Amino acid sequence: EAGVAQSPRYKIIEKRQSVAFWCNPISGHATLYWYQQILGQGPKLLIQFQNNGVVDDSQLPKDRFSAERLKGVDSTLKIQPAKLEDSAVYLCASSSLYGTSYEQFFGPGTRLTVL
Amino acid sequence: DQQVKQNSPSLSVQEGRISILNCDYTNSMFDYFLWYKKYPAEGPTFLISISSIKDKNEDGRFTVFLNKSAKHLSLHIVPSQPGDSAVYFCAASDSMDKIIFGKGTRLHILP
Repeated sequence: EAGVAQSPRYKIIEKRQSVAFWCNPISGHATLYWYQQILGQGPKLLIQFQNNGVVDDSQLPKDRFSAERLKGVDSTLKIQPAKLEDSAVYLCASSSLYGTSYEQFFGPGTRLTVL
Repeated sequence: DQQVKQNSPSLSVQEGRISILNCDYTNSMFDYFLWYKKYPAEGPTFLISISSIKDKNEDGRFTVFLNKSAKHLSLHIVPSQPGDSAVYFCAASDSMDKIIFGKGTRLHILP
């Protein structure tokens, strides 16, 4: 079974630039999550999708962050414009609607550096 | 306001000995607790979990203990092996889908 795929793995941009991350969840997983992990912290949920609908985006800074999950499969997370404090690892995870949804499967993450 | 607290940023344990990682939580509504393990440049991987109706769950070398009255859980690894060197995240949930993570504890297994 293929795991959660994310790209790019690393990205360096200057502040005020835009950036987009892509995630392809495990096949058949209905729920998809985007997390932000700042150095020295645990992952913080940004947004949760079930199929192509948003379940929770309460911690997503909507003035600069956006996410979509077209067709209920892969997803993109965009930051526009980026700030220095957005430097972090962005993790995508997925879980099965019918399995143990507590068990989320994580991708390798995208490390973003904002200069 | 941190709802899940891991107060030890790092821990060093001799190979073959027991590793004990601790976690405290504040939200009494949490009903499910998990431990994730993370290697550098990889995403976290699920390790073991426990429901609030239990006080112990064991899986091979890994055992999680839950003390609801103290709002405390711990992960025991015995015997510790070099491959156990990683960052361990404690996490908790009050619903089926949303998980809140602690800051993590970096475990070093010494030869």
